[in-house]
Amino acid sequence: QSVLTQPPSASGTPGQRVTISCSGSRSNIGSNYVYWYQQLPGTAPKYLIYRNSQRPSGVPDRFSGSKSGTSASLAISGLRSEDEADYYCAAWDDSLSGWVFGGGTKLTVL
Amino acid sequence: EVQLVESGGGLVKPGGSLRLSCAASGLTFNNVWMSWVRQAPGKGLEWVGRIKSKTDGGTTDYAAPVKGRFIISRDDSKNTLFLQMNSLKSEDTAVYYCTTARELEDWGQGTLVTVSS
Repeated sequence: QSVLTQPPSASGTPGQRVTISCSGSRSNIGSNYVYWYQQLPGTAPKYLIYRNSQRPSGVPDRFSGSKSGTSASLAISGLRSEDEADYYCAAWDDSLSGWVFGGGTKLTVL
Repeated sequence: EVQLVESGGGLVKPGGSLRLSCAASGLTFNNVWMSWVRQAPGKGLEWVGRIKSKTDGGTTDYAAPVKGRFIISRDDSKNTLFLQMNSLKSEDTAVYYCTTARELEDWGQGTLVTVSS
């Protein structure tokens, strides 16, 4: 059971906008930044969104992040086939003194 | 460009030990906090632990499932991070990734550890 809660799956058709939610608590999302990682099949996770809503260089602006209270979300607009991947949210947890992750959301592009 | 290359994975029997290494380049290693994150087959990501830079005390923090069994260390002269894993259990079977620790921004390709008799 993951500390952060994500839906196990999401889907959309090319060009659509999809959102993935991430729910936590006061000790993690409520107190610290949220990060998002994209993991393509058979590869290492990739830094996708940092500090709730910032994009590293090279990440398309189709990807955006937001946070409110103890929840966060990742939005992908203009969905493309290459966006098919697993997406994980993460945050530092002050009570556990460690990083916690969501269980991951498998995004399927129909 | 930051490069992190893990090595040392393999098959080990329950109760055994294994030492993983992570060679870093493209960053000022001695200034960087480093972490290990693992991923069991078909499962999600799990943080293992971290080590701060020596200038920030060089202290370590561990996740509850590995505390007392795993030890993270670093050799700044060789730009290398280590994970000593002792008393291994079947549930430690996973791909182990080294990452930069402040924001888990850079990741290696991972090394597979299989704990099985």
